[in-house]
Amino acid sequence: GQQVMQIPQYQHVQEGEDFTTYCNSSTTLSNIQWYKQRPGGHPVFLIQLVKSGEVKKQKRLTFQFGEAKKNSSLHITATQTTDVGTYFCAEISSGNKLTFGGGTRVLVKP
Amino acid sequence: SAVISQKPSRDICQRGTSLTIQCQVDSQVTMMFWYRQQPGQSLTLIATANQGSEATYESGFVIDKFPISRPNLTFSTLTVSNMSPEDSSIYLCSAETSAPDTQYFGPGTRLTVL
Repeated sequence: GQQVMQIPQYQHVQEGEDFTTYCNSSTTLSNIQWYKQRPGGHPVFLIQLVKSGEVKKQKRLTFQFGEAKKNSSLHITATQTTDVGTYFCAEISSGNKLTFGGGTRVLVKP
Repeated sequence: SAVISQKPSRDICQRGTSLTIQCQVDSQVTMMFWYRQQPGQSLTLIATANQGSEATYESGFVIDKFPISRPNLTFSTLTVSNMSPEDSSIYLCSAETSAPDTQYFGPGTRLTVL
C-alpha cells in the first residue's frame, strides 16, 4: 500500500522559533490527515487536506497540501512548550483505513 | 466527536497467555479499528472491526493471533493470543465518525509480555 515518509524524524526547537515537518509520498495521495500525539497520550486528529495546493491554518499551525498531492507540510510558528509531541501525517485509503507516516518527534527547549 | 475508553489501560502478562482488550465508544459509530504502536514507533493498523461480521485483517496480522469481536456499534474487543515478548506494545482502538473522515483514538492499552 501507500507509504508516506516524514522528515525530520526528530526536531529540537528553541521556544519561540518556527519549524516545519514534511510528509512525502512517491505516489499521489487522495488526501492527507495530520495527528498530534503528546508523550504518553494517544493520537489526536488535527486536520484533513483534500484539494491540491490546499492550505489550512489553526492558530500557529499551518498545513499545506502540495500541488501534485504527493507531499504535505506542517509549519508551526513561535513554538511553545505545549507543542511538544509527535506529529504524524496519515493517508486515509479505501475502507477508511489510515496509513501513518513515521512521525516527527518534537522537543522544545525553553 | 466520540469519546473512547479502553480496558485495561496496562497489563503485564506471561508468555503463552492471552489478553483481551475492550474498547467502548460513547456513541454509535460505523467504523472501528485496532492499531499497534511499538515503543517510539508509528501506528500500524491491525484490522478493521466489522459489526456483525469477521474483522478485516491487514497484511502480517491473522485472526488466530488477534481475534476481534464487534457485537454492536459501540463496542469491540481485541485478543492478543499466545503472547510472546514481541507482542509488547501499545494497542489502540479508534472509531470513525461521519464528519469529516475523522478518527478518534482510545487512550491505548500498554502491554508488556515477560
